[in-house]
Amino acid sequence: EAGVAQSPRYKIIEKRQSVAFWCNPISGHATLYWYQQILGQGPKLLIQFQNNGVVDDSQLPKDRFSAERLKGVDSTLKIQPAKLEDSAVYLCASSSEHRTGTYEQYFGPGTRLTVT
Amino acid sequence: AQTVTQSQPEMSVQEAETVTLSCTYDTSESDYYLFWYKQPPSRQMILVIRQEAYKQQNATENRFSVNFQKAAKSFSLKISDSQLGDAAMYFCAYRSAWTSGSRLTFGEGTQLTVNP
Repeated sequence: EAGVAQSPRYKIIEKRQSVAFWCNPISGHATLYWYQQILGQGPKLLIQFQNNGVVDDSQLPKDRFSAERLKGVDSTLKIQPAKLEDSAVYLCASSSEHRTGTYEQYFGPGTRLTVT
Repeated sequence: AQTVTQSQPEMSVQEAETVTLSCTYDTSESDYYLFWYKQPPSRQMILVIRQEAYKQQNATENRFSVNFQKAAKSFSLKISDSQLGDAAMYFCAYRSAWTSGSRLTFGEGTQLTVNP
């Protein structure tokens, strides 16, 4: 079974530029998550999708961050314009159920973003 | 809101010895799940062990076991017969069983070093 795929693995941009990250979840997984992990901290949820609908985006900075999940499969997370404090690892995860049970969240390798 | 606290930023252990990582959490909910994740330098988050709050029996996975104290809101991880490959950042995480979303709330992490 293929795991969660993310690209790119690394990205360096200047502040005020825009950037996009891509995630392909495990086949058949209805729920997709984007987490932000700042160096030295635990991951923090940015947004959660169930199929192509948003379940939780309460911690997404909507003035600069956006995300979409077309056709309920792949997802793209965009930052525009980027700030220095957006430097972090962006982790994508997927699971087969969003509400009940202990369905495991499977994580991708992450994208390390550096904003200079 | 739920919070997860890991009070040990760093821990070290000799190869083949036993080490215990601490985690406490705060919640008003009665039903939830707790997890320990391992994050090596590759950044891939790997599930180590899970515990359902309604189960009194502590979870065990090979060399990994937990001490779950629900009343004290404590969830420690014990690694027996430590191996060099166990060196990584370990995160404790909480997930509600009842909210509409199933986000993971992570602690700050404990960096484990295994000395040969």
